[in-house]
Amino acid sequence: GESVGLHLPTLSVQEGDNSIINCAYSNSASDYFIWYKQESGKGPQFIIDIRSNMDKRQGQRVTVLLNKTVKHLSLQIAATQPGDSAVYFCAEVASGNEKLTFGTGTRLTIIP
Amino acid sequence: GAVVSQHPSRVICKSGTSVKIECRSLDFQATTMFWYRQFPKQSLMLMATSNEGSKATYEQGVEKDKFLINHASLTLSTLTVTSAHPEDSSFYICSARALTGYYEQYFGPGTRLTVT
Repeated sequence: GESVGLHLPTLSVQEGDNSIINCAYSNSASDYFIWYKQESGKGPQFIIDIRSNMDKRQGQRVTVLLNKTVKHLSLQIAATQPGDSAVYFCAEVASGNEKLTFGTGTRLTIIP
Repeated sequence: GAVVSQHPSRVICKSGTSVKIECRSLDFQATTMFWYRQFPKQSLMLMATSNEGSKATYEQGVEKDKFLINHASLTLSTLTVTSAHPEDSSFYICSARALTGYYEQYFGPGTRLTVT
């Protein structure tokens, strides 16, 4: 069936370095993608989104890249800080469907 | 803006009892609210979608008689776990979509349910 998955379950990055979290999706009908950050014991927090008519979107210290050809999504976090340590989920929404489908998540650990 | 609250944040109940969890959109009106369940170290799994004034739509495998959802107003949805069992222990998270939203969902802080 259709799924959204992540390549790596854990990622450790030295503080100050850049990090890249990847996500593969298989539903070609998906037209909206979101990255969420979830800290332990809390709900997901919106980071950045991108629509399928774009291939790149930038926020504060974060960039999302979308490659529709290979159905790949990535989240780049620049100059990582200890507060960036969390689990990151990608989620997709298929055209005409209001439901979010979440990926499995990647735990990012920032090493001081 | 776009704040969603949940109450309670933590609840412990005995097996066989029922527990009600509230989800409120504090500063916006939500046409649709979603309920998710998350087990430790796992992703969020959608349980049901609720629209104000109508019956909730449950995902496959979710028992609607066990997880009662009421969406009484544009700012409040409740999830009642009836006859709770230890396997219902989980992290329950709601989200709300604004009237004017595209697909953005704003998430609550979650409710940790422990059934003993």
